[in-house]
Amino acid sequence: GQNIDQPTEMTATEGAIVQINCTYQTSGFNGLFWYQQHAGEAPTFLSYNVLDGLEEKGRFSSFLSRSKGYSYLLLKELQMKDSASYLCAVLDSNYQLIWGAGTKLIIKP
Amino acid sequence: ETGVTQTPRHLVMGMTNKKSLKCEQHLGHNAMYWYKQSAKKPLELMFVYSLEERVENNSVPSRFSPECPNSSHLFLHLHTLQPEDSALYLCASSQDSGGSYNEQFFGPGTRLTVL
Repeated sequence: GQNIDQPTEMTATEGAIVQINCTYQTSGFNGLFWYQQHAGEAPTFLSYNVLDGLEEKGRFSSFLSRSKGYSYLLLKELQMKDSASYLCAVLDSNYQLIWGAGTKLIIKP
Repeated sequence: ETGVTQTPRHLVMGMTNKKSLKCEQHLGHNAMYWYKQSAKKPLELMFVYSLEERVENNSVPSRFSPECPNSSHLFLHLHTLQPEDSALYLCASSQDSGGSYNEQFFGPGTRLTVL
């Protein structure tokens, strides 16, 4: 079966750095997405990786290793507004998005 | 209005009621989706429409009935629901339903409670 694993919850301190990991086992791979979802709000797109390596976008970076079935989202200079759930999703060989359950990130002052 | 909108934002209904959820996208996209989001579970894809034609139905119970009258509007008709159907129902749209890069834009969701 297809599976996306990510930690259920993480806690970090304001101003620090946090890495949210995502591992996947899917039938084929056509890219990996990270979305941010604040409580009670819509998920919003953060990043898309299809090739191995690191993609940097401001305070957020996303890394992909296709051979390891692994990605991480790196958040730097954490702010209180970064408290949210972070969803990892993989586009499989049928171009269907397979979603992880999300990682709830709690930022403490 | 911009992006993807959903109404109502909150809905409480009894098991014998009939209600409908509405989604509208103002992005000129060709594909629209219904997802179910339950606490601590992955998003579950329910239905996919591309150019108003249903292209995917992930074995959803018949008590959920989608309708896509045009590429901008999507409905989810609900009848004789069960308490376990209580969840956040998210609508999304994308330029197309297939392809290697297909960012989905989500609405804020309808929080449904079935009593």
